[in-house]
Amino acid sequence: AQSVSQHNHHVILSEAASLELGCNYSYGGTVNLFWYVQYPGQHLQLLLKYFSGDPLVKGIKGFEAEFIKSKFSFNLRKPSVQWSDTAEYFCAVRGGSQGNLIFGKGTKLSVKP
Amino acid sequence: SAVISQKPSRDICQRGTSLTIQCQVDSQVTMMFWYRQQPGQSLTLIATANQGSEATYESGFVIDKFPISRPNLTFSTLTVSNMSPEDSSIYLCSGTGQGTAEQYFGPGTRLTVT
Repeated sequence: AQSVSQHNHHVILSEAASLELGCNYSYGGTVNLFWYVQYPGQHLQLLLKYFSGDPLVKGIKGFEAEFIKSKFSFNLRKPSVQWSDTAEYFCAVRGGSQGNLIFGKGTKLSVKP
Repeated sequence: SAVISQKPSRDICQRGTSLTIQCQVDSQVTMMFWYRQQPGQSLTLIATANQGSEATYESGFVIDKFPISRPNLTFSTLTVSNMSPEDSSIYLCSGTGQGTAEQYFGPGTRLTVT
């Protein structure tokens, strides 16, 4: 069965610090990988996605993620966080191009101004 | 892209009653899903809503408790039946766009059962 692990439950950073949120998945076949963000009081928004091709994908708001197939990982990065990045971040995986997403437990990011 | 709306946005219900949540998509989507996000938890898939036929439920969810309809490609409903406080959660509708593997989410319905 597919599963997604997010290593950090809560990350606290100061503004301008660099961010890396870990995500590992278990699935043997072709996967689609996603990072979603949920700002306080708002609904889920897609940050970025990986379907195929260049394993380094760039998303909105300066976020990027790297798919490392050998490590079954899809870590999210941002070189310099802002207070407005305070939110909860969810990694998700889908086996193949259709079907439902399996979500990780989420990582809450708090950025101190 | 697809824009998904849900009604109601929130509700407070009494134990033993039922609530039907509506999901409307502004364009056709191939697949529609219903998720639950319990307080402090991640999203858990309840079921896949199939057009014109019975929904496909995940382990731990049953049709008698969460009946789902999907009469066409842009509309679905989820009913939470015979509610208990444990059903307090955010219920999210989601759809996969036609011709794209992207998955879009509605704003959610925040349900509180007293």
